[in-house]
Amino acid sequence: KAGVTQTPRYLIKTRGQQVTLSCSPISGHRSVSWYQQTPGQGLQFLFEYFSETQRNKGNFPGRFSGRQFSNSRSEMNVSTLELGDSALYLCASIGSNTEAFFGQGTRLTVV
Amino acid sequence: GQNIDQPTEMTATEGAIVQINCTYQTSGFNGLFWYQQHAGEAPTFLSYNVLDGLEEKGRFSSFLSRSKGYSYLLLKELQMKDSASYLCAVRGPGNQFYFGTGTSLTVIP
Repeated sequence: KAGVTQTPRYLIKTRGQQVTLSCSPISGHRSVSWYQQTPGQGLQFLFEYFSETQRNKGNFPGRFSGRQFSNSRSEMNVSTLELGDSALYLCASIGSNTEAFFGQGTRLTVV
Repeated sequence: GQNIDQPTEMTATEGAIVQINCTYQTSGFNGLFWYQQHAGEAPTFLSYNVLDGLEEKGRFSSFLSRSKGYSYLLLKELQMKDSASYLCAVRGPGNQFYFGTGTSLTVIP
């Protein structure tokens, strides 16, 4: 069974640009959650998608958005990048009554 | 609101036992999870508790007391490769996971 795939692994962007990250969950998992991880802040919940609908949302500004497609693949988008958006972005794939399985993450650096 | 607390750092000696505590206050509870994360890698699942008591899995055990909002992860026979960050997480309503900031464990010879 293939794991969670996130692309790209590394990304460097400049302030003001926008970025799109992709996550393919484990086959059969309909729930995808996104997290931002920074030193000292731990894993901060961004949002969760289930069957193409955003079901939960964390406390992030509207510059952070996402979507989920019919095949459960999900994308998250960050517009008007700021230096503070530099972080590891993790995607978690969740089945029914299971733990969250994480992808390797996308390391975003904003310069 | 959601609040999950765990110590920031711990150090222990190879071969010893270490206990990492986690206290939580969350609205809704559908289980408590422990993850291990090595530097630069994704978190990997270690254990899961939904009922009170101890769950043992090889060298790792996890305990839960729902009435006290308390859990701990016990690591026995520590090895150098156990040096990592250990994340406590509570699963809330739906599939929303709330994570602590993690405990960075350093195992010394």
